[in-house]
Amino acid sequence: QKEVEQNSGPLSVPEGAIASLNCTYSDRGSQSFFWYRQYSGKSPELIMFIYSNGDKEDGRFTAQLNKASQYVSLLIRDSQPSDSATYLCAVRAAGNKLTFGGGTRVLVKP
Amino acid sequence: EPEVTQTPSHQVTQMGQEVILRCVPISNHLYFYWYRQILGQKVEFLVSFYNNEISEKSEIFDDQFSVERPDGSNFTLKIRSTKLEDSAMYFCASSPEGSGVRELFFGEGSRLTVL
Repeated sequence: QKEVEQNSGPLSVPEGAIASLNCTYSDRGSQSFFWYRQYSGKSPELIMFIYSNGDKEDGRFTAQLNKASQYVSLLIRDSQPSDSATYLCAVRAAGNKLTFGGGTRVLVKP
Repeated sequence: EPEVTQTPSHQVTQMGQEVILRCVPISNHLYFYWYRQILGQKVEFLVSFYNNEISEKSEIFDDQFSVERPDGSNFTLKIRSTKLEDSAMYFCASSPEGSGVRELFFGEGSRLTVL
């Protein structure tokens, strides 16, 4: 069973701070990695993807990938109350499907 | 901005009834998917569809489920005889061809409540 694991949280961060989210995956054949944001009762919304080892930055978000450790992370800089949501890590191995983690709930406190 | 649209947004049905959930993927996308999310649980893959056939399906996608692309725009999920445990949010998604990363774009979801 291919697994994607995340700490369920909640991760509580003060406004303006950095939120750090982690994700591990079990399938070494995984090829691409995605972070989605999901507000309560809404659909997942793509934040960014990464497929090479190292860092990838997009605005306030930075994704980090370490394939040797089977680890992907997301940093949210200058956290805003509107960033309060559940963040889903998703992994694609061979084929088309994404396997999702259970999500980390983030609470940004003003 | 192009988006995936789903109907209905919410459907309530009696156990044993047939349900059809509809999706209009983004127009230039060629891969289509159904996922579901039971309240408080993970987003789970059901099925992927490409070139007018199922390309992959999960263990959840048993004989009670079927998918169809009846015309050039719609993509449907049919549940033949609903069970209580089918109550969930069902998400349609699509992704473009030619993208190695092939990110998924999700619709707003159809909430199914089985009584």
